[in-house]
Parts: sequence; C-alpha cells; structure tokens
Amino acid sequence: GAGVSQSPSNKVTEKGKDVELRCDPISGHTALYWYRQSLGQGLEFLIYFQGNSAPDKSGLPSDRFSAERTGGSVSTLTIQRTQQEDSAVYLCASSSDRASVGGLGYTFGSGTRLTVV
Amino acid sequence: AQSVTQLGSHVSVSEGALVLLRCNYSSSVPPYLFWYVQYPNQGLQLLLKYTSAATLVKGINGFEAEFKKSETSFHLTKPSAHMSDAAEYFCAVSGSNAGKSTFGDGTTLTVKP
Repeated sequence: GAGVSQSPSNKVTEKGKDVELRCDPISGHTALYWYRQSLGQGLEFLIYFQGNSAPDKSGLPSDRFSAERTGGSVSTLTIQRTQQEDSAVYLCASSSDRASVGGLGYTFGSGTRLTVV
Repeated sequence: AQSVTQLGSHVSVSEGALVLLRCNYSSSVPPYLFWYVQYPNQGLQLLLKYTSAATLVKGINGFEAEFKKSETSFHLTKPSAHMSDAAEYFCAVSGSNAGKSTFGDGTTLTVKP
C-alpha cells in the first residue's frame, strides 16, 4: 500500500482480556518494527522483523507480549491478559533496502491507541 | 549499545526566531541519526537523516541538522520558526549493522505569535 496501515486505530479493552493489533507495512519493505509510546514519553522498542531472519524480541516487556509476521508482510502484535500499564499508543513502522536497512529511516503508521480499563 | 539524550523536553520560541533542538547520542558503532516530527494527532514522519554522506543534512520544511562526532551531537535547527512548526520532535540513533533505532524522549516545540 501507499503507507503503513494499522488497525484498529483505537481499542478499549477490559483488564485481563487479550488484544490483537495489526500492521500492514509498505509493500516491499523488508523490515518491520513495533514501538510503544506512553503518554508524555518517548518511543519504547518492542520487536523488529527483518526478512526471514529470527525477530529481535529484546524489547518485549513480558511474556504476555508476542508478535508474528506472516509471509514477510502483515504483522500482528498480541497482548495477553492485558493490564492497565499496557495502555499506550502502539506504533508500527517499516523500512526498505536490506543492504542498508539501518540507514533509510522509518515510515510509521498512525498507531493503535490501546486503553485498558 | 546506543542511546539518545534530548536536552529540554519543552522549547518555546517566537515566530521568526531561530529554532534549536538539541540531541546527543551514544553509539558503539558509527551511527545513523534521524530526526522525526509528530504533529498533533498525527503519526511520526521522518524529517531528516544522517548516514555518513555529509555532516550537514537538510530535511523537509527548512530544517537541517549537523553531525558533530567530536561532540556526539546532532542538533536540529531552523533559521526562522513558523507557527506550523509546533510539534513534538524526536531524535533517534541506529547502528550501522542493525535496523533497530533508539529514540529520545522527545522535545515539544511551541511557537508563539
């Protein structure tokens, strides 16, 4: 697509429920990232997919968080047994060029605002 | 390991005045450096990037940034602020051999008429 698409744009869920957040990156972008932005704070890295390599999961805050990327395209971030501290804006980004994937910058989606009540 | 420090969480300037947003980085490898802008109720967009080609980098909307290795800095400047520049600005660093970026905490720019 023309940009990075995230859905839903807003999600309100009850504490303890599971949620799935979807990201559809720019077509052809080999790298996909998930970040979390809490109110008044910077961006916290969660997970990074690059082509067929094993994902870098070093930022996932707990084992309640998981993500997958199917067919090298769409990604789903799943949060199990949500807690109030999970409330944040979840941002997805993608980038291009496997040869210099660290150098081209990200294209971000508009984010999913998650509120756990 | 890499990190970014943005000095000043809030910066206020008058319309027409110089904008200076400060960013210092730490990286164990030659860095790639970025500035992103987030306008109210919008997503982040790339403003400019340093990838070792030139130390002075020009971006969109009249912004530029200079990479100074000796000072480990990548400050963002604009000669004359416009009201439309009011936004949150994020500095980010990435290693040359990994795509993951580390972001600063952001600086909110306010432009007064």
